[in-house]
Amino acid sequence: GIQVEQSPPDLILQEGANSTLRCNFSDSVNNLQWFHQNPWGQLINLFYIPSGTKQNGRLSATTVATERYSLLYISSSQTTDSGVYFCAVERYSGAGSYQLTFGKGTKLSVIP
Amino acid sequence: NAGVTQTPKFRVLKTGQSMTLLCAQDMNHEYMYWYRQDPGMGLRLIHYSVGEGTTAKGEVPDGYNVSRLKKQNFLLGLESAAPSQTSVYFCASRAGYQPQHFGDGTRLSIL
Repeated sequence: GIQVEQSPPDLILQEGANSTLRCNFSDSVNNLQWFHQNPWGQLINLFYIPSGTKQNGRLSATTVATERYSLLYISSSQTTDSGVYFCAVERYSGAGSYQLTFGKGTKLSVIP
Repeated sequence: NAGVTQTPKFRVLKTGQSMTLLCAQDMNHEYMYWYRQDPGMGLRLIHYSVGEGTTAKGEVPDGYNVSRLKKQNFLLGLESAAPSQTSVYFCASRAGYQPQHFGDGTRLSIL
């Protein structure tokens, strides 16, 4: 199956700092999503981004499908950004279904 | 708008007991999914459904069964719970080729 690798596994930032999270995947995909899992365990959709660049406030994401990677940028980090960030890639699995394969995540801690 | 609702939120079982986790969505989505999340492993797909009355196996289906008798509900069953099934279980749904929407999870501990 497809492999999804995220780096770094852990990241500690001072509030106000910027960061870049990376997601590499081993094969062509139909789509890619970034999620934030907050400290309460809820999964929040951040971006649905098969290619190109999208921005939402202080967060932006870029996917270069031909080179099999995606980047998530967090600017001016806040303590509420803490949690685990997951990259998940999507491939057609037959019988009309697309399945997500998740990476292991990047655990981000933003300290005041 | 409730979105995806999982019941129960927490449960403790003894080895060998059975139980059913319920996922309900009110968005009229065709596709529904069950995942498990273990520490350091990310989410892994257990079973999924592409429509009412259909189910299919995901990456880690052993020890679980599912049913989709109604479009809005997707049930995950453990017939004989084992400690290895201690995990956080997430349900998700989607409409066609759109992002998946996740429930808040069910924390299941098996002693």
